[in-house]
This record gives sequence, C-alpha cells and structure tokens, in this order.
Amino acid sequence: DIQMTQSPSSLSASVGDRVTITCRASQSIDRYLNWYQQKPGKAPKLLIYAASSLQSGVPSRFSGSGSGTDFTLTISTLQPEDFATYCCQQTYSTPGYSFGQGTKVEIK
Amino acid sequence: EVQLVESGGGLVEPGGSLRLSCAASGFTFSTYNMNWVRQAPGKGLEWVSYIRSGSNYTYYADSVKGRFTISRDNAKSSLYLQMNSLRADDTAVYYCARERLVWGSWPTFDYWGQGTLVTVSS
Repeated sequence: DIQMTQSPSSLSASVGDRVTITCRASQSIDRYLNWYQQKPGKAPKLLIYAASSLQSGVPSRFSGSGSGTDFTLTISTLQPEDFATYCCQQTYSTPGYSFGQGTKVEIK
Repeated sequence: EVQLVESGGGLVEPGGSLRLSCAASGFTFSTYNMNWVRQAPGKGLEWVSYIRSGSNYTYYADSVKGRFTISRDNAKSSLYLQMNSLRADDTAVYYCARERLVWGSWPTFDYWGQGTLVTVSS
C-alpha cells in the first residue's frame, strides 16, 4: 500500500501570509496527486488534481506542484476563508486510493 | 446541480450491522465510479470502498474487507454500503464521493455528500 505523509500536521499563519504544505508518497506516484480542503463539519472540497491543475472555481492563490514522491500545496496570500484542514490523496494505485493525515491551518 | 445525500447512519452495538445509502441526483449516475470514504472523530480521511460504474468491479480497504459490501442500483441512482460485524474503530462519518476521471484516466473525487455518522458502541 502507498502511504502518504503530510507536513506539518498543523501550522499557524496570518492573513496575507504565504503557506506551503508538503505531501510525500512512500513510492513514486507520477502526478496522481489531489489536494482537498475541509472545513469543520463539512465534506472535503477538491482544490487541485493531477498535482498542479486547479479545479474549476478554485481561487488562483492556490497552486500545486511536484511529481514522483514529493508534492507541495501553496496558498500565495492566505485569506480568512482559507483557515481549514488540507489533505492530499494519491490515485496512482487504482483503486485503493489513500489520503495524507491532513494539515490544519490555524489563525496566528 | 450535483447532489449526493447519505442516510442510514446511527448508533449500533459492536458486532451489529448497518446499511448506508447515498442518493445521487443532478448527473448520470450510471456512468460514474463511486466511492465511500470515512473519517473517524478528529482523524483524517480514510478511503473505504470503490465500485465501478457498471457494478462489475468492487474494491475494499483491508480494514473493512470481508465485513463491508458496496453495491449500487443505477436505476435508482443510489449507492449502498452494507456494514456487518461492526467494531468500535468503524465509528466515523461516512461520505459517498463521485469519482471523475480527468482526461479519461486521472481519478478525482469531485463531489461529496454531507456525510452520515456511524457510532459503534455498547
């Protein structure tokens, strides 16, 4: 099974900050990597697919990069509505997709 | 508008059974692969099960294999998860999620239901 490890598990940031979250796969997954945002009590929302493609309707301050085993999600200028938990998902092993444990972005 | 609405959650004793349903609308259900994903209280997301659009292929996480059964009724635009031999560590919010294949082969979960809570406790 492919294990996904995110870092950090949580971070504190201020509105306007640039935030970077890392996701590492236990083996190469090409670019089969999605990012989701989840707010408390809500379902996850797809932000980025195929490592770097922005889902329709998602603000351009969100971006993704990486391939193989190392990936990043970047929020260029943090907005108040971006305080949430972010989670990566590999879809290389089809099916049997696995998620990272999540990164909680909190207000500093 | 795409909608996925789960139901069937509740409190069940260890060893008991429960059947979750997911009612889909706003899209051609029969043409999409579907998944169940769960989230234990305060924990991350865990993929649980997958079913191909034509119901001819299913797949399970090791943690539920042999206890859970995924199925679908394309005529009713509905997805199901039969959960047997439930354990305390099955306690979670269960989401159904639509799988969209970007460019024909890149899976994404583009729509999710609101989730239904399953609590396994005596």
